[in-house]
Amino acid sequence: EPEVTQTPSHQVTQMGQEVILRCVPISNHLYFYWYRQILGQKVEFLVSFYNNEISEKSEIFDDQFSVERPDGSNFTLKIRSTKLEDSAMYFCASTWTGTDTQYFGPGTRLTVL
Amino acid sequence: AQSVTQPDIHITVSEGASLELRCNYSYGATPYLFWYVQSPGQGLQLLLKYFSGDTLVQGIKGFEAEFKRSQSSFNLRKPSVHWSDAAEYFCAVGARNAGNMLTFGGGTRLMVKP
Repeated sequence: EPEVTQTPSHQVTQMGQEVILRCVPISNHLYFYWYRQILGQKVEFLVSFYNNEISEKSEIFDDQFSVERPDGSNFTLKIRSTKLEDSAMYFCASTWTGTDTQYFGPGTRLTVL
Repeated sequence: AQSVTQPDIHITVSEGASLELRCNYSYGATPYLFWYVQSPGQGLQLLLKYFSGDTLVQGIKGFEAEFKRSQSSFNLRKPSVHWSDAAEYFCAVGARNAGNMLTFGGGTRLMVKP
């Protein structure tokens, strides 16, 4: 069964450093998402992406964040200058039509020191 | 704006007992509704979903949920819980527009006593 994959599974970085989290969505899907889950808190929407542009973004998704689909398979989330409060599990999701089930990847745990 | 409330943060049940996890949502129209399960250190696995039609939906692992429009609820049930069901359960609501974001509840952590 096709699945969403994410790399790395765990990333440790110093405050102020740039990080790129990578996702490979399910191959025929067209809509892509990033969510995050701070430890012990609810899963929060960050951004949705379709046709090479952002469809929606939350208040969390400020100028420090950016997303890109650099090729036909990868979908990336970049944080330009990480802060301690960016420490969280980041989930990628994808869906085909944008109104059906979102399939989630296993997540990348980001730790900012 | 859409929102989801899961009133129970923790629930403990005995193995073999029945289970009901509560979920209430707020949305202006008929939403898409989902239940996801997250085992420790793992990602989110879809248990079941409601889009339209029959308000009682069946999912994987013997779970079911019932959409009750009048109560704005989508409670998850299982008749007999297994120890492997111990996990965190998230209810989510999605808007009916393309590219819609999911709004998650705070989650219910299920513990299963032997």
